[in-house]
Amino acid sequence: EVQLEESGGGLVQSGGSLRLSCAASGFTLSNYWMNWVRQAPGKGLVWVSRINRDGSSTNYADSVKGRFTISRDNTKNTMYLQMNSLRAEDTAVYYCAKDTFSWFDSWGQGTLVTVSS
Amino acid sequence: DIQMTQSPSSLSASVGDRVTITCRASQIITTFLNWYQQRPGNAPKLLIYAASNLHSGAPSRFSGSGSGADFTLTISSLQPEDFATYYCQQSDSLPYTFGQGTKVEIK
Repeated sequence: EVQLEESGGGLVQSGGSLRLSCAASGFTLSNYWMNWVRQAPGKGLVWVSRINRDGSSTNYADSVKGRFTISRDNTKNTMYLQMNSLRAEDTAVYYCAKDTFSWFDSWGQGTLVTVSS
Repeated sequence: DIQMTQSPSSLSASVGDRVTITCRASQIITTFLNWYQQRPGNAPKLLIYAASNLHSGAPSRFSGSGSGADFTLTISSLQPEDFATYYCQQSDSLPYTFGQGTKVEIK
C-alpha cells in the first residue's frame, strides 16, 4: 500500500525556518516525481513545488521561489521542503503528493505550519 | 498562469441526485485536467485524471468529460460519503493550478 507521511510542521516566528519531511513507503520513490501542495486554513489547494526523480530538476511557485528548497533522498525514501524566511501567508497545511504523469495519485495526511507575526 | 474557475462554488443536493460540477480553464489545456475530492479534515483524493479516466478505487458513479478549456465532473447518484469539496487541477503547464473548489452539501 502506498503511504506518504509528512512531518516537521509547527509554530515558527515570521522570518524563521522549518524543514518538512515526507516519508514514502509501499512504492519505489525514485521512480516518481514528487510535489508539495499547501492549503491555508479554510482555503483551497495551492501547488508549491515539484522535484524530478533524481532531484536534478526542481520547480517552484513564484510565491516561494528563493525562500523554499525542495530536495529528496531516494536512499532514505524521503522528500524534503526547506522553508526559510517564513511569512504569515505561508501558514497552511502542507501535503506531499506522488506525481504520476502530472496527476497526484497519492497524498500524505498533511503537516500544519503556523507562522506567527 | 492558467486560471481555473469552477462553478458553482457550492451546491446543496439530496442523496440519489445527479450532480454536475464544471471547470473552465483560462486557456486551452487539451485533456490535462484532474479532479480531486476532499472530505473535511482529510487530504485530497484523486478521482479523475486526464479529464475522463477514473482513478483506481474511485467509485464508478464519478465520471469526467471535456477537452480544450471546458470540463465537467458528474456524480450520477449522490451518496452520503460524497458530501465533500471537489477541486479541478490543470497539469498542462507550471505552475499547476487548482480551481477554487465546489462544496457539495446535504439538502
